Amino acid sequence: SQTIHQWPATLVQPVGSPLSLECTVEGTSNPNLYWYRQAAGRGLQLLFYSVGIGQISSEVPQNLSASRPQDRQFILSSKKLLLSDSGFYLCAWSDTGLTEQFFGPGTRLTVL
Amino acid sequence: ILNVEQSPQSLHVQEGDSTNFTCSFPSSNFYALHWYRWETAKSPEALFVMTLNGDEKKKGRISATLNTKEGYSYLYIKGSQPEDSATYLCAFKAAGNKLTFGGGTRVLVKP
Repeated sequence: SQTIHQWPATLVQPVGSPLSLECTVEGTSNPNLYWYRQAAGRGLQLLFYSVGIGQISSEVPQNLSASRPQDRQFILSSKKLLLSDSGFYLCAWSDTGLTEQFFGPGTRLTVL
Repeated sequence: ILNVEQSPQSLHVQEGDSTNFTCSFPSSNFYALHWYRWETAKSPEALFVMTLNGDEKKKGRISATLNTKEGYSYLYIKGSQPEDSATYLCAFKAAGNKLTFGGGTRVLVKP
């Protein structure tokens, strides 16, 4: 069966510090991978998605970047965090087509 | 930018009562409509993937309908129970791999 892991679960970082959130998927190959953010009081906003190694599409201009160094690994990064980067970050995977997306446990990021 | 709206944003339901809420989405370039259930401190879980106009899906006491021509979907909860308390998200899928999520409807079932 497929599983998706995210870490860390919670993170408190000062403004201006770097960020690296990692997501890995097991039990499937060549998944589509996604990073979402839920800011306070809002729904899920798609940040990045990837259909293959090294292929990243950015949905919104922002302070963040994503990379996919391996088939089942998706990394969300920032060189310098802003206060507005605080939120709940979810990684998800899906097969191609109409299938649903499966979400990881999420990372709660607080930037102080 | 695709506009996916859910209403109401939140609702309180008495245990045993039935309820429903709405997701509206663009009526053009429709590919699929997803519903997810998101409990506090857990990950969103898929409820339904709907693709055909007039589609009706059911899982236990939860069901959903789809009208792609007018761009809306209803989610129904019959005989609400406290464990139904969650945020219900809809997501619109046009051609391609991306989902555009609505803001969610937060349901609180009071015993």
